[in-house]
Amino acid sequence: AQSVAQPEDQVNVAEGNPLTVKCTYSVSGNPYLFWYVQYPNRGLQFLLKYITGDNLVKGSYGFEAEFNKSQTSFHLKKPSALVSDSALYFCAVRDITGRRALTFGSGTRLQVQP
Amino acid sequence: DAGVIQSPRHEVTEMGQEVTLRCKPISGHDYLFWYRQTMMRGLELLIYFNNNVPIDDSGMPEDRFSAKMPNASFSTLKIQPSEPRDSAVYFCASSLAGGFTKNIQYFGAGTRLSVL
Repeated sequence: AQSVAQPEDQVNVAEGNPLTVKCTYSVSGNPYLFWYVQYPNRGLQFLLKYITGDNLVKGSYGFEAEFNKSQTSFHLKKPSALVSDSALYFCAVRDITGRRALTFGSGTRLQVQP
Repeated sequence: DAGVIQSPRHEVTEMGQEVTLRCKPISGHDYLFWYRQTMMRGLELLIYFNNNVPIDDSGMPEDRFSAKMPNASFSTLKIQPSEPRDSAVYFCASSLAGGFTKNIQYFGAGTRLSVL
């Protein structure tokens, strides 16, 4: 079985400060990892993915994530937060040898204060 | 491409009525997924298809739920009879098996279902 944990329901950060949204995962084999963002009344939008290769993955809107195999983590980061980054963020995982469907975390609400 | 298109965007119905949600995936995508999002349970996979064939329906809550994909450009999720606990936002997503964007799921805007 595969699972994702997002330990923080909400993260608050001031505009211009760096942000981190945490994610840990569990899969039986090697993982494919994803971050998605959801704005109010919208579907999920893909931000970035880790499949293989460099542990630091860069994605849309200045976001990046670092894959850490020993800690089974895939934290989302951004050096300087914008008010417009305020949204709901989901981490997702699938086993590369398993079914195609993703398992999503419970989501973390990011609130960036002006 | 217009992306994944879902209809209707909002559906309000009474308990016991049949509800049909519709999805048009991105052209050329060979995987289609149906998810349900609620505050209590988060985002749950209901069923997914590969080349129009259902692969995993273990997430379908009960026999009241059924999904079909008669062709590569259309899928339906039906609830009959509907119950208040089915109230949720239902998302459809599609993806490619290969290529640079493989494994990335593209989501529709969702259908917000309210069962009274």
